[in-house]
Amino acid sequence: EAGVTQFPSHSVIEKGQTVTLRCDPISGHDNLYWYRRVMGKEIKFLLHFVKESKQDESGMPNNRFLAERTGGTYSTLKVQPAELEDSGVYFCASSPNRGGYGYTFGSGTRLTVV
Amino acid sequence: GQQLNQSPQSMFIQEGEDVSMNCTSSSIFNTWLWYKQDPGEGPVLLIALYKAGELTSNGRLTAQFGITRKDSFLNISASIPSDVGIYFCAGYLSGTYKYIFGTGTRLKVLA
Repeated sequence: EAGVTQFPSHSVIEKGQTVTLRCDPISGHDNLYWYRRVMGKEIKFLLHFVKESKQDESGMPNNRFLAERTGGTYSTLKVQPAELEDSGVYFCASSPNRGGYGYTFGSGTRLTVV
Repeated sequence: GQQLNQSPQSMFIQEGEDVSMNCTSSSIFNTWLWYKQDPGEGPVLLIALYKAGELTSNGRLTAQFGITRKDSFLNISASIPSDVGIYFCAGYLSGTYKYIFGTGTRLKVLA
């Protein structure tokens, strides 16, 4: 089975620009998560979708971040306008069920805001 | 918010040596997980622990869920070059549906 796919793998943008990250979860996985790791720090939760609904978006830093999962398949995370502190690696993960059974992570998108 | 203290931050060891790393928290968890991240890849699940006191092995890896439910450790025996990477602990509390990750332990193995 195909894994979790993220695109792009790297993005370098200028402060104030907009960037959209995409995640394709494993087919059939209703649960989709976005996490972020700022260099040297922990991997931090951003939000959780169950199908197309946002289950928990308590980790979203501010209203410059918008996540969508139309149709319950792939998801996008848009940052608009990007700030320097948004730099980091954004991971997407999916799982067939909620709970402490582990996720399958994508390879991540490394975002650099200059 | 909840935080996990993971140590050490980094380790340089000789091939063949054993490695030990741990995670502590001020809060209890129902599940502890250990992930490994290779360069350019996402974290991959190594071991999941579901019960206080549980000791679980996966090949050369052994992990334990602390009795207090506030800590966990991971041991790697007889390290090899492909053990290089970043190891993350993660705690899960039932009903929250999200993991709290540690800051990672960067492991480098010298051949």
